[in-house]
Amino acid sequence: GQNIDQPTEMTATEGAIVQINCTYQTSGFNGLFWYQQHAGEAPTFLSYNVLDGLEEKGRFSSFLSRSKGYSYLLLKELQMKDSASYLCAVKDSNYQLIWGAGTKLIIKP
Amino acid sequence: TAGITQAPTSQILAAGRSMTLRCTQDMRHNAMYWYRQDLGLGLRLIHYSNTAGTTGKGEVPDGYSVSRANTDDFPLTLASAVPSQTSVYFCASSTDGGEYNEQFFGPGTRLTVL
Repeated sequence: GQNIDQPTEMTATEGAIVQINCTYQTSGFNGLFWYQQHAGEAPTFLSYNVLDGLEEKGRFSSFLSRSKGYSYLLLKELQMKDSASYLCAVKDSNYQLIWGAGTKLIIKP
Repeated sequence: TAGITQAPTSQILAAGRSMTLRCTQDMRHNAMYWYRQDLGLGLRLIHYSNTAGTTGKGEVPDGYSVSRANTDDFPLTLASAVPSQTSVYFCASSTDGGEYNEQFFGPGTRLTVL
């Protein structure tokens, strides 16, 4: 079966750095996506990785290791508005997105 | 630009009744998707359409049907609602169904089946 695992909840302090991990087992791999979802709202796109390595986009970076079936999202200089759920999704061999359950990130002052 | 709109925003439905959730996009995207999101679970694909006139089944298609008569609209119909269909439903679209294509999501419809 196909599986995406990520921690259910994480807590971090404003101004700090947090790393949200995602491991996956899917039938095929055509890229990994990270989305942000604030409570009661729709998911919005954050990043995409298809090759191994780090992709940096402002305060957010995403890393991929295809051989390990592993990715992480790194958030720097945390702000209160970063309190949200972060969803990891992998595009499988049929080009369908398989989604993790999401990691709820709580930012404390 | 509106992006993707969904209607209604929320609905309470009696079990056994039928209902159509509407989804319209103005981005001229070829691919459209319907997901349901339940607490503790990831988004699950119900149905998808890679282009107008074609549809496909996702992970959880039972009890749902879709049509894609044109590029912009992708309605989702529940023929006879059951309580297990209580969920938040998101419509999404992307340029096409290929490798890198971020999906853009509508605001969602919160459905309660009693």
